[in-house]
Amino acid sequence: QLQLQESGPGLVKPSETLSLTCTVSGGSLSGGSYYWGWIRQPPGKGLEWLGSIDYSGTTYYNPSLKSPVSISVDTSKSQFSLKLSSVTAADTAVYYCASDYGDFFDYWGRGTLVTVSS
Amino acid sequence: EIVLTQSPGTLSLSPGERATLSCRASQSVSGSYLAWYQQKPGQAPRLLIYGASSRATGIPDRFSGSGSGTDFTLTISRLEPEDFAVYYCQQFGGSPRFTFGPGTKVDIK
Repeated sequence: QLQLQESGPGLVKPSETLSLTCTVSGGSLSGGSYYWGWIRQPPGKGLEWLGSIDYSGTTYYNPSLKSPVSISVDTSKSQFSLKLSSVTAADTAVYYCASDYGDFFDYWGRGTLVTVSS
Repeated sequence: EIVLTQSPGTLSLSPGERATLSCRASQSVSGSYLAWYQQKPGQAPRLLIYGASSRATGIPDRFSGSGSGTDFTLTISRLEPEDFAVYYCQQFGGSPRFTFGPGTKVDIK
């Protein structure tokens, strides 16, 4: 069974870049029909999809995001990563990585809280 | 953008009762690409239903999904104590590729 684990700084200063990594175990990043996605949830609020990537690097991003987003993949490390630039307090959220089966997310990481504050 | 609206915002029920949750889309969801998730405090969302009506692996059969087009329903036939949580619907296929509804909280009456 797939397991996903987010890692990265819990505190980021305004205008800086938020960087998170998701490590996948129990399966291959390049196997199956999977994309790999990032979803976030501000405290007490709902879920927002940020973007997804497949093993070859094909990406899909949410065009509604105010902060520029970039997702990359490193199959040799079984990792995919998120970068969110020029962050503001509105980017404070729990960030989840998840396996994107094309039209739904079936396995999720536990999530990591990132606070944007000086 | 396909906007999902969930109702009610909060559903107060007792264990053993039937829960009916609604998810309405601002435009038709192609291919019935509609999923439901359960989220408990401090936990990640858990996939319950995909393709509007298919149960995910390990999900009890008291959970069922139905609907097509713009109107979808999640039904919990008999609420167990562990079912009190927030439920989100999610669509695939519009732009953005995925959007989620605002959630329905099922709490104990």
